[in-house]
Amino acid sequence: NAGVTQTPKFRVLKTGQSMTLLCAQDMNHEYMYWYRQDPGMGLRLIHYSVGEGTTAKGEVPDGYNVSRLKKQNFLLGLESAAPSQTSVYFCASRRRGSNQPQHFGDGTRLSIL
Amino acid sequence: DQQVKQNSPSLSVQEGRISILNCDYTNSMFDYFLWYKKYPAEGPTFLISISSIKDKNEDGRFTVFLNKSAKHLSLHIVPSQPGDSAVYFCAIRTSGSRLTFGEGTQLTVNP
Repeated sequence: NAGVTQTPKFRVLKTGQSMTLLCAQDMNHEYMYWYRQDPGMGLRLIHYSVGEGTTAKGEVPDGYNVSRLKKQNFLLGLESAAPSQTSVYFCASRRRGSNQPQHFGDGTRLSIL
Repeated sequence: DQQVKQNSPSLSVQEGRISILNCDYTNSMFDYFLWYKKYPAEGPTFLISISSIKDKNEDGRFTVFLNKSAKHLSLHIVPSQPGDSAVYFCAIRTSGSRLTFGEGTQLTVNP
């Protein structure tokens, strides 16, 4: 019973490089989310999706793009990585319904040099 | 303008005693409130929630209290155990399908 799986777990990039973080969930959840967590701060929403083929901006979307081509996958892309994007990234998913909790993956630790 | 705030970055309690974690919010229209627990190198896990039609919700050792007039949420853990040592985040549904998280409180339960 995998739940929410994030790939990779760790990555080091150079400034200007691009990469894609993958989130996969096996719970048939409609909603998926990408957050970043920085020291002393809570989780901040980057982008989210309420269904296959739909995405929306969160609180801190600049510098990131997302795609939800399949219901079970939510991809987060960095086109040109910057040191300010050094963070721990968490993906979450939840069932449709007003009071459903989000279920989180174990995070991707990303360092931009 | 921070909508959700946890003013205590850390809390230390003795095993067996009560732990009280606090969270304040700004908008009286918020209607669904959650607590998550996070261990190092893991994702947050859902702990307990409460909707605005209630003022208390209990699940075993964990109780969440909601004071709507004060716009204040608290989590009580009784009795506290060393395994409860973790970072606790309050989260509030601030619009539609989105949650806004507090900064987190590191709870340490000493044996």
